[in-house]
Amino acid sequence: EADIYQTPRYLVIGTGEKITLECSQTMGHDKMYWYQQDPGMELHLIHYSYGVNSTEKGDLSSESTVSRIRTEHFPLTLESARPSHTSQYLCASSDTASLSEKLFFGSGTQLSVL
Amino acid sequence: AQKITQTQPGMFVQEKEAVTLDCTYDTSDQSYGLFWYKQPSSGEMIFLIYQGSYDEQNATEGRYSLNFQKARKSANLVISASQLGDSAMYFCAGASNTGTASKLTFGTGTRLQVTL
Repeated sequence: EADIYQTPRYLVIGTGEKITLECSQTMGHDKMYWYQQDPGMELHLIHYSYGVNSTEKGDLSSESTVSRIRTEHFPLTLESARPSHTSQYLCASSDTASLSEKLFFGSGTQLSVL
Repeated sequence: AQKITQTQPGMFVQEKEAVTLDCTYDTSDQSYGLFWYKQPSSGEMIFLIYQGSYDEQNATEGRYSLNFQKARKSANLVISASQLGDSAMYFCAGASNTGTASKLTFGTGTRLQVTL
């Protein structure tokens, strides 16, 4: 089974604060992804990485940044949070880049910015 | 890129009955993949089933089957013998070949409620 972990599960912060959402996987997957999901809505890809030291922006523009210094770790950082950043953030990983690639998702971080 | 459309915001089904969740897609790619994911209230996304555009047979995974009609550009999910634990959000997603990483496009989802 998939082993991909996100912390924290829930986070409430004030406007202007800097935060880092953690995502780690123990499967040795090269590909990792961050999706953003508003309540009851579809997921939008905001960042992805296909290996160490590689990161790309996704289809939805985001003010967040990511890094990939280690294979297992793909943190997402917001330098100055705003209420518009309130959303659920889902991390995922996979071991291939084919069309049949199955993504393994974490449980998500529900972020609320006051 | 793909566009995925799910027109059913919510569905009800009685326990042990079958239910079909609709999904249509629009793509200019010759080769593509279609997925269904389940999202329970706990929040994680769980892979259910995959269909490749060149697969001749409809995909099946246990109680899940994908009714793939290429000419109609539809990829409906059929859940047989519904269980209470099937209550969740269901997302249809499409994959386009980017060469280096999979970029899934998701539909807006269907909330399924299984009743006694």
